[in-house]
Amino acid sequence: GAVVSQHPSRVICKSGTSVKIECRSLDFQATTMFWYRQFPKQSLMLMATSNEGSKATYEQGVEKDKFLINHASLTLSTLTVTSAHPEDSSFYICSASPQGTDTQYFGPGTRLTVL
Amino acid sequence: GQSLEQPSEVTAVEGAIVQINCTYQTSGFYGLSWYQQHDGGAPTFLSYNALDGLEETGRFSSFLSRSDSYGYLLLQELQMKDSASYFCAVRKGGNMLTFGGGTRLMVKP
Repeated sequence: GAVVSQHPSRVICKSGTSVKIECRSLDFQATTMFWYRQFPKQSLMLMATSNEGSKATYEQGVEKDKFLINHASLTLSTLTVTSAHPEDSSFYICSASPQGTDTQYFGPGTRLTVL
Repeated sequence: GQSLEQPSEVTAVEGAIVQINCTYQTSGFYGLSWYQQHDGGAPTFLSYNALDGLEETGRFSSFLSRSDSYGYLLLQELQMKDSASYFCAVRKGGNMLTFGGGTRLMVKP
């Protein structure tokens, strides 16, 4: 149980284009999902908290107009990187907690490369 | 501010015991979690301490002292497959996690 999936696992795009990453909780419902970014050999940095049916809460320094988050259902959150630039190349990971529990389960991550 | 400190690298031999320490300074502390991450993979949950004391799960144990703002992860009977990065993370309100910088564990034969 408690499986979180992400799609795509890898994406390469040209600078200036937009990329959408999906995060799904496969066997549970999640009111809240989290989006992290991880650069090579570094820690996970929380970007935003995605709340079903309401606006996401962004961490300080994260541009909400650049990283669009939509949490349209209790099992799906999407992160769209708009007008991507090479410095946005990173490993993007989502996580979710089954309702009523404390443990966060992480998706397998999406490696974004912007050329 | 908030910060979590853990060693950047630890090396140990197969079969040994290794302890990875984590000190934290944060507001809104609910508990300390530990995650394992292999290169290119997602973090996987290992352990969570909300109260002081030791939690044991198989070869892995985790300890927390809230008064000292300190915790550790203990790995026993090390195996080669334990080579990975280990992160401590403070759980805050709203189930948010703040991660430490990670400790890269290398297990040698």
